[in-house]
Amino acid sequence: DQQVKQNSPSLSVQEGRISILNCDYTNSMFDYFLWYKKYPAEGPTFLISISSIKDKNEDGRFTVFLNKSAKHLSLHIVPSQPGDSAVYFCAASVDSSYKLIFGSGTRLLVRP
Amino acid sequence: ETGVTQTPRHLVMGMTNKKSLKCEQHLGHNAMYWYKQSAKKPLELMFVYSLEERVENNSVPSRFSPECPNSSHLFLHLHTLQPEDSALYLCASSDTGRGRIAGELFFGEGSRLTVL
Repeated sequence: DQQVKQNSPSLSVQEGRISILNCDYTNSMFDYFLWYKKYPAEGPTFLISISSIKDKNEDGRFTVFLNKSAKHLSLHIVPSQPGDSAVYFCAASVDSSYKLIFGSGTRLLVRP
Repeated sequence: ETGVTQTPRHLVMGMTNKKSLKCEQHLGHNAMYWYKQSAKKPLELMFVYSLEERVENNSVPSRFSPECPNSSHLFLHLHTLQPEDSALYLCASSDTGRGRIAGELFFGEGSRLTVL
């Protein structure tokens, strides 16, 4: 049973609009959450993270929201750009440890 | 040089072959990882080496054998694999020291393995 779930395998958004990628988790012990981005033929790269003591973290066009009661986090990208087209993975860990549990990814396509 | 380098990028092998995947990190990190990515599945942690000591095995079949001779190099030795082992194998490194972002992994580009 997956502890971190990304239920939308793909998402298509018009350039300039907001992209919202969602992630749900089942383990209430998770206290650290991260988003990674992966382009084809490249390894995943770290994008943004959030600790469970916060409910929002912002970095430029990227904002991650955490709703602990719903065990849900989301990544907002605004405005979306064609270069944002990639697969996005959310990941979580317990005690901020090195052992990350990944979701299966959401492929984002930003249309020009 | 990129931060984490994996070779080969592509590997095709038969079930009776013995091959190895190699990973090298140039970031001065003190932990290295092997992840497996199968189609439409989450990344699965296979092995972690911290300060050259293996700290996580994750019940990976013995046909996969890791080796970490030093903090910069990591190998995954492959022997008698099955077709279902075909996947993208990703190496990563991190700095587990104080002040670092917990869980921030730096990945290589991966080795695409096909087992015939």
